[in-house]
Amino acid sequence: EPEVTQTPSHQVTQMGQEVILRCVPISNHLYFYWYRQILGQKVEFLVSFYNNEISEKSEIFDDQFSVERPDGSNFTLKIRSTKLEDSAMYFCASSDILVRNEQFFGPGTRLTVL
Amino acid sequence: AQSVTQPDIHITVSEGASLELRCNYSYGATPYLFWYVQSPGQGLQLLLKYFSGDTLVQGIKGFEAEFKRSQSSFNLRKPSVHWSDAAEYFCAVGSNFGNEKLTFGTGTRLTIIP
Repeated sequence: EPEVTQTPSHQVTQMGQEVILRCVPISNHLYFYWYRQILGQKVEFLVSFYNNEISEKSEIFDDQFSVERPDGSNFTLKIRSTKLEDSAMYFCASSDILVRNEQFFGPGTRLTVL
Repeated sequence: AQSVTQPDIHITVSEGASLELRCNYSYGATPYLFWYVQSPGQGLQLLLKYFSGDTLVQGIKGFEAEFKRSQSSFNLRKPSVHWSDAAEYFCAVGSNFGNEKLTFGTGTRLTIIP
């Protein structure tokens, strides 16, 4: 069964450093998403991406965040200058063109900012 | 704005007992509704979804959920739980107007006792 994969599973970084979280969506999916879950809190939407453009972003997704599909398979989330409050689990998801809301999630990357 | 409320933060049930997890949503039109399960250290797995039609939907692992428009609810049920059902359960709502983001509830942690 096809699945969304994410690397790394855990990333530790120093405050102010840049991090790139990587995702490989399901191969025939065209819509991609990032969500985050701060420890003990709800899963929150960050951004959706389609046709090489951001289609929607939340207020959390400020200028420190960016997304990119650098090739035909990867989808990345970059945080330019990490803050302590960026520590969270980051989930990538993808969906196909017919059922955009049926999103399939990856296992997540736990980001720890020290 | 769409929102989801899961009133129960933590539920404990005995193995073999029945289960009902509550979910209430707020949305201006017919919503898309989802239940996801998250095992410790794992990603979000889709249990079931409601888009339209029959208000009682069946999902994986023996779960079902019933959409009740009059009560704005989408409660998850299972007639007999197994120890492996211990996990965090998230209800989510999405729209059918091209707004792709999912809005999640705060989750219900399910503990199973022998």
